[in-house]
Amino acid sequence: GAVVSQHPSRVICKSGTSVKIECRSLDFQATTMFWYRQFPKQSLMLMATSNEGSKATYEQGVEKDKFLINHASLTLSTLTVTSAHPEDSSFYICSADSPGQAGGGYTFGSGTRLTVV
Amino acid sequence: KNQVEQSPQSLIILEGKNCTLQCNYTVSPFSNLRWYKQDTGRGPVSLTIMTFSENTKSNGRYTATLDADTKQSSLHITASQLSDSASYICVVTFYGGATNKLIFGTGTLLAVQP
Repeated sequence: GAVVSQHPSRVICKSGTSVKIECRSLDFQATTMFWYRQFPKQSLMLMATSNEGSKATYEQGVEKDKFLINHASLTLSTLTVTSAHPEDSSFYICSADSPGQAGGGYTFGSGTRLTVV
Repeated sequence: KNQVEQSPQSLIILEGKNCTLQCNYTVSPFSNLRWYKQDTGRGPVSLTIMTFSENTKSNGRYTATLDADTKQSSLHITASQLSDSASYICVVTFYGGATNKLIFGTGTLLAVQP
């Protein structure tokens, strides 16, 4: 079935630095990928939708200059948290959409736990 | 307003017992409904997906039902195992214009105890 690989699984960074999270579709081409943020005991919150070769669409309230998204190929999307601060500490999850895949698309990565100290 | 509500918020059952999780939605126009299992610190994993015309879908010990008229779904877990301890999320997809949109429920946290 469809597999989405997310890396790294955990990252600790100092306040003010930037962190890049990668999301790869391993066995299919993903024209659309999604980035979510999840706080403890809460559901996933969509941050942005990225389409291969075009600019990402950000949800209301998400700072596009802080959360940079790049979807340069059909198998890779990256999320860069710029000038990270402790309040950015969260669980970030990506998902990829590819019509026709088992499960109807929307396969999720395993998530990245970001801790900013 | 498009919403997905799940109940109960949390549930504790003994190993080997069955349980049923509920999902009510007010999403329109409806495309499909999915149940995901999310282990702590991991991404969600798809269990079932049902379209408007499907009433039930099974995946091993997991059986999901859908009543599109009442906009309700349930996930039944049979003969629970310790590894079933996780958060179960109901997700409804609707046509949001150019792309589909996913509406997430807040999940039911299931704890299976020996």
